[in-house]
Amino acid sequence: SQQGEEDPQALSIQEGENATMNCSYKTSINNLQWYRQNSGRGLVHLILIRSNEREKHSGRLRVTLDTSKKSSSLLITASRAADTASYFCATDAGGTSYGKLTFGQGTILTVHP
Amino acid sequence: DGGITQSPKYLFRKEGQNVTLSCEQNLNHDAMYWYRQDPGQGLRLIYYSQIVNDFQKGDIAEGYSVSREKKESFPLTVTSAQKNPTAFYLCASSTSSWTGGWQPQHFGDGTRLSIL
Repeated sequence: SQQGEEDPQALSIQEGENATMNCSYKTSINNLQWYRQNSGRGLVHLILIRSNEREKHSGRLRVTLDTSKKSSSLLITASRAADTASYFCATDAGGTSYGKLTFGQGTILTVHP
Repeated sequence: DGGITQSPKYLFRKEGQNVTLSCEQNLNHDAMYWYRQDPGQGLRLIYYSQIVNDFQKGDIAEGYSVSREKKESFPLTVTSAQKNPTAFYLCASSTSSWTGGWQPQHFGDGTRLSIL
């Protein structure tokens, strides 16, 4: 079952602008992860935020998590053409889920030079 | 370099044919996963395996089968019972974290399966 909903489905911006993607989920989680996928390739892990964390930074990435609203956002600052890709959130329910992830539908980001 | 290798990159299936997708990892990860991705969609879990000789069905296991005879290998067979096999198939692996839970997944570069 697809737990995550992401919006927008597609985002088109100019280089140097910030890009914000949102993710909502339905059940309780142990952590939430963001992945990036270049066209025709596998996914690459970007950042993980645990359920007891509210904000996390990694380079130009900033992730927030609001467990009361069951939502997360990914902010990419000062975007570059090389950031063009699909971005997915994924939730890990923890417990006996053995690392299984439930993915959202993804946001297609296009950054114009 | 450690990583996950999926082969072949492209695969074509005839009607009534079973085909097997290969997934090999040299990361010494315990857990391996198979996902299906349809155009413009997220990933859906087909099967996963926590340890050798053990695996569980994911959300869309019907028409698929797997084996886990070695820690490094987790092949996926798309059987003739899967009536709509055209998709992008991704294999991933993970290992347990010393803090509890599981580390983020590492992915291969996928196999694109089409029907002839």
